[in-house]
Amino acid sequence: GAVVSQHPSRVICKSGTSVKIECRSLDFQATTMFWYRQFPKQSLMLMATSNEGSKATYEQGVEKDKFLINHASLTLSTLTVTSAHPEDSSFYICSARDRLTGPQHFGDGTRLSIL
Amino acid sequence: DAKTTQPPSMDCAEGRAANLPCNHSTISGNEYVYWYRQIHSQGPQYIIHGLKNNETNEMASLIITEDRKSSTLILPHATLRDTAVYYCIVRVAVTGANNLFFGTGTRLTVIP
Repeated sequence: GAVVSQHPSRVICKSGTSVKIECRSLDFQATTMFWYRQFPKQSLMLMATSNEGSKATYEQGVEKDKFLINHASLTLSTLTVTSAHPEDSSFYICSARDRLTGPQHFGDGTRLSIL
Repeated sequence: DAKTTQPPSMDCAEGRAANLPCNHSTISGNEYVYWYRQIHSQGPQYIIHGLKNNETNEMASLIITEDRKSSTLILPHATLRDTAVYYCIVRVAVTGANNLFFGTGTRLTVIP
């Protein structure tokens, strides 16, 4: 079935550094991918919608200059957390929809810890 | 999107059927019911979806009431690995660029 791969699965880095997270659709093309964030004991919250070949659409309250999204191909979207701070520590999850089968499929998430 | 209401938690004995209810009384005619689950520290996993007919796949069955105002996800023989948070989501269309809104879900605990 449709598979979405996310890398890395875990990142620990110092405050002030930038971190890039990759999301790949392995056996289908995705013109749209979604990025979610999940804090402990909370549900997933949509951060942005990533559109292949165009600018991402950010949800209210999400800083587009801090969370840079690039969707350069039909199988790859990246999320870069710039100048990360401890409050950016969270579980970041991407998803994509296979145009043929419909339902969204999710990556296994990236746990980001900023020291 | 129509709002969904789920019980915050449920327990189920291993080997028994787990029946997870969801209310979506304001659902529109073109909105599908999706079920996902999230095992601790993993991304959500798609389970099943339907519009108005009951659906069954290798993971579960989805029973939608005739008025479509509620549905039940059935795991026929729950195992310990089914312990997870289960999300019922209502969304228009199957294709397209529509994101999913995750509520608080139901935390299912399968007990040995």
